[in-house]
Parts: sequence; structure tokens; C-alpha cells
Amino acid sequence: AQSVTQLGSHVSVSEGALVLLRCNYSSSVPPYLFWYVQYPNQGLQLLLKYTTGATLVKGINGFEAEFKKSETSFHLTKPSAHMSDAAEYFCAVSVNGGFKTIFGAGTRLFVKA
Amino acid sequence: DTGVSQNPRHKITKRGQNVTFRCDPISEHNRLYWYRQTLGQGPEFLTYFQNEAQLEKSRLLSDRFSAERPKGSFSTLEIQRTEQGDSAMYLCASSLPRTKTDGELFFGEGSRLTVL
Repeated sequence: AQSVTQLGSHVSVSEGALVLLRCNYSSSVPPYLFWYVQYPNQGLQLLLKYTTGATLVKGINGFEAEFKKSETSFHLTKPSAHMSDAAEYFCAVSVNGGFKTIFGAGTRLFVKA
Repeated sequence: DTGVSQNPRHKITKRGQNVTFRCDPISEHNRLYWYRQTLGQGPEFLTYFQNEAQLEKSRLLSDRFSAERPKGSFSTLEIQRTEQGDSAMYLCASSLPRTKTDGELFFGEGSRLTVL
């Protein structure tokens, strides 16, 4: 069975500072990993995904994440936070594009002016 | 752009009443999912359809919950005899067939249920 742990339910950064949201996963087979973002009153939308190949993946809005198999991690980063990045971020795992995607509990990002 | 559509967006009901939510997926997506999200938690998988076939139901889906996708297009999620613990956001998502996707889900904006 797969599972996802997001470290820190809330993260606060200053505008322009580095954003780092942590995600660790558990999977008995090679996972597909995702980050989704949820803005207030909106549905979840895909930020980026890792399936196979290059372990550093780039997504929308300047976000990127690195798949580290040895650490079972898929942390999300952005070099410089913008006020518009304030949202809730969910890490998720599925197997072989399978039907069940398992989500972490989410990390709410606050960006201070 | 016709994304995933859910309605109603908000439903307030009294305990014991039945409620039904509808989801219209993206037209070319044959896979449809229902998730439930409570405050401070990530989406929890409830059930999954491939075309009209319901292929898996979570243990979270008690006998009071039933989901259908009669013609492989829209889906309904019905909750009978609602309880206060059913209060949550019910999310619908859809995706392309397995051979055409890496598993990206496209979500609707959700239907928020409040049970008084």
C-alpha cells in the first residue's frame, strides 16, 4: 500500500524567500508522484509530476521537485515566493498510473509581505 | 473550456435527510473518482469508475453512500440518512484512460455538505 506524509501543516515564508514543502512517501513499487495546489474556493490543480526519467521535475509557476528514491522524498521548492503562491499544497502518490491516488494531509503556505 | 463540473456547490441539510451530488467529468475522460475532504486533511479516496463500471469502493463508503455512473458520463453520489460526520467537501475528479495518462487527475471545485 502507498502512503504520503507531508511534514508541516503550515509553512510561512516572506515574499522573495525560498519555499520548501516536504513530502515523504511509502510505496512497495516504483511510484508516480504528484504535487497539487488548491487555491481558496477552487479545485485542486496539478503543479508537477514525476513518473520516470529525470528526477528533477519542473512545474508551473516556477515550482520544481526532486525525486530522491534513497530518501523516499519528493520535496517541492521555489526559489522566490510570491504573494500569489499562498495556497494549500498536496503531495500525492499513485502506482503505474493506476486508479487510486493517495494524498497527503496538505501544507498550507502563507506568504508574508 | 469545459472542466469538471459539480453541483450543487453547497448543500445544507438536516440530519437524517438524503442528499445527492452530481459530477460532470471532462467529456473524453473515461475514469471518474469521488474523494472526500475534511478540514485539515487531504482528499480521501471514496470510489472509482471506469466508464459505467464501479471498480472500487473505499471502506470509508458506508452502506449509506451510493455512487452511480449510469451511462459512463455524469456520476451521482447519494448519501442517505445523513449524519453530522458526513459534513465535508465532496470532490469529483476525472482522468484519461490508463494508456493515455500518467495518472493526472482533473478536479471539480467540490460540493460542500453541512449536516445540521
